[in-house]
Amino acid sequence: GDSVTQMEGPVTLSEEAFLTINCTYTATGYPSLFWYVQYPGEGLQLLLKATKADDKGSNKGFEATYRKETTSFHLEKGSVQVSDSAVYFCALGITGGGNKLTFGTGTQLKVEL
Amino acid sequence: DAGITQSPRHKVTETGTPVTLRCHQTENHRYMYWYRQDPGHGLRLIHYSYGVKDTDKGEVSDGYSVSRSKTEDFLLTLESATSSQTSVYFCAISQGNSGNTIYFGEGSWLTVV
Repeated sequence: GDSVTQMEGPVTLSEEAFLTINCTYTATGYPSLFWYVQYPGEGLQLLLKATKADDKGSNKGFEATYRKETTSFHLEKGSVQVSDSAVYFCALGITGGGNKLTFGTGTQLKVEL
Repeated sequence: DAGITQSPRHKVTETGTPVTLRCHQTENHRYMYWYRQDPGHGLRLIHYSYGVKDTDKGEVSDGYSVSRSKTEDFLLTLESATSSQTSVYFCAISQGNSGNTIYFGEGSWLTVV
């Protein structure tokens, strides 16, 4: 079945460091791919998405490129801030059948001064 | 703010008692979902609805039932709560087409003692 694998955390970085959170997927067909972010005590917010191969999603300095050849959707940011500390979830959306999402287990990011 | 209200936000209940969580949306989205979030598992789909009175099972539906009598309301019921159902429950909504953003509520923290 469909699945998402993302790197385990926590990931601890200093402010202004470069961030990569790896995400790979297994899916039948051509899923849409998403990154969601969850701040403490809150629900999930969409960070960015890509709906087809080679699309790049971007938002708030974060980027991810839908790579069909490597079945990956790695999240990157050039310079993280303390305010980026959160849990990041990679997810795929199944084509047809109500756009149900399959999530990775989440990666906690801690950014320190 | 995605116009999703979950209630109650926090609840402690005893094993064997019935519990109902309510999700209310003001967006008139066709699809509604219930997910549970547990450490090491990310978010997993319990049930979803694709219209009034139209529901289907997700990945972890055992022990849960749902109902949708109005477009705006989606109820999740634990008929007889167990400690394994201690979790954070998130309602989500979507227009339903592949690639459409899924919006999440703020979560309901349920503890079964």
